[in-house]
Amino acid sequence: DADVTQTPRNRITKTGKRIMLECSQTKGHDRMYWYRQDPGLGLRLIYYSFDVKDINKGEISDGYSVSRQAQAKFSLSLESAIPNQTALYFCATSDFARTNTGELFFGEGSRLTVL
Amino acid sequence: GENVEQHPSTLSVQEGDSAVIKCTYSDSASNYFPWYKQELGKRPQLIIDIRSNVGEKKDQRIAVTLNKTAKHFSLHITETQPEDSAVYFCAVSTGANNLFFGTGTRLTVIP
Repeated sequence: DADVTQTPRNRITKTGKRIMLECSQTKGHDRMYWYRQDPGLGLRLIYYSFDVKDINKGEISDGYSVSRQAQAKFSLSLESAIPNQTALYFCATSDFARTNTGELFFGEGSRLTVL
Repeated sequence: GENVEQHPSTLSVQEGDSAVIKCTYSDSASNYFPWYKQELGKRPQLIIDIRSNVGEKKDQRIAVTLNKTAKHFSLHITETQPEDSAVYFCAVSTGANNLFFGTGTRLTVIP
């Protein structure tokens, strides 16, 4: 079954450490996104990519970087993690090129705790 | 960017009653309005969406209404059931642009 897969699902790390969250998809979608979810704040966009050569900042990109290694892979990096980056991170895809809608398909989420 | 406000933040209803969640947005060019449901510990999933050229859309017990003049849209759930308990997010986009999400409503359906 085509899906969006995130690794790791849970990670505890210390302040100052470099962390990478990985996302891969078997849906064949063109667009990929990284969102952050915090209680009471909803889902906020960190970075997005419309194709392999396209990377764009979202609402809250400071402290994060991304890499679109292939159409199916989009990774999020925290170069030097800090406690207020503790959150649930979601990768998402959309098939905009074919459907012309912004419907998002989310991965299962990666819970990151920075001590 | 787009400013999306969602109310209420929490909502409790008796099983069988109706639930209404409302969102307002700021960009009059917005033209796509989806609603996502997130069950506890799960990923958000689309439950219904509406485009700006339609005023209302219904799918079984859920419906969405859009008032473009007032820049607000609402999710209506009728005959609520315990499995409707979840966090609901509205979102807004302007065509090819990205989705901006509301802050979420935690719905609890009391059996």
